[in-house]
Amino acid sequence: DAGVTQSPTHLIKTRGQHVTLRCSPISGHKSVSWYQQVLGQGPQFIFQYYEKEERGRGNFPDRFSARQFPNYSSELNVNALLLGDSALYLCASNFLLGGLGENTEAFFGQGTRLTVV
Amino acid sequence: GNSVTQMEGPVTLSEEAFLTINCTYTATGYPSLFWYVQYPGEGLQLLLKATKADDKGSNKGFEATYRKETTSFHLEKGSVQVSDSAVYFCALSDRGSSYKLIFGSGTRLLVRP
Repeated sequence: DAGVTQSPTHLIKTRGQHVTLRCSPISGHKSVSWYQQVLGQGPQFIFQYYEKEERGRGNFPDRFSARQFPNYSSELNVNALLLGDSALYLCASNFLLGGLGENTEAFFGQGTRLTVV
Repeated sequence: GNSVTQMEGPVTLSEEAFLTINCTYTATGYPSLFWYVQYPGEGLQLLLKATKADDKGSNKGFEATYRKETTSFHLEKGSVQVSDSAVYFCALSDRGSSYKLIFGSGTRLLVRP
C-alpha cells in the first residue's frame, strides 16, 4: 500500500511569490494535517482537515490556507512568501472515527522542502 | 497550553551503549504520548506510543513508559546501533483533539562504531 505522498519534494521560490503544496493520504484515511518544520526544530501544527472541513488551525498567519478535496487529498497554499517560510512542510494522515475519535497513529509523508530566496 | 520539553542534543554514544533521551510534558487532561524518529532527508516515523498512564510503548528495542506522576516519557534503549543515528522527537496528542500533535524540539543521536 502506498503511504502518504507529497509533491513536490523540493521547491525554490522568491519572496512575495505564492506556493501550493500537495498531499495524498493513505487510502481510507479521511483526515489530513499539515506541519511546518523549520531547520533544527520540531514540527509545528498548521491545519487539520477532515471530510473536507477545517477542524483545527495552528498559530499561523492568514497567508497560509488549505483545502481538502473529495478524494481526501489536500493542498497547502502560502501567499506572499517570506524568507522565514523556508522549511520542511510535512503532511500527515490519520484514520479517525467520527472526526475526533480515539488517538490513532499519524502517518507522515517525506515532506516538501521549501526554500524562499 | 500543552507543551513538550526534551533534552537538547546532540547525544553521542558508542555502539552498544545505553541510551536515555529525557522528555517531559505539560498538558491538561490525559494526553497520548509518542516518540517519532526522523532519519536524514526523510519524514517522521512513529517509533512507539502510549495512550494512558503506566503504559509502556516499545518497538525495535526502544521503550518508554508513560509516567503521569512525573509527567515524563523518557526514551530508552539498552544497546544502540550505528543505524539508530537520527533525530528523535517526543510528542503529545490531546485526547480531545487527536489530530493535533505537539512536538518537542528534537534530540539528535549520533552513534559511533
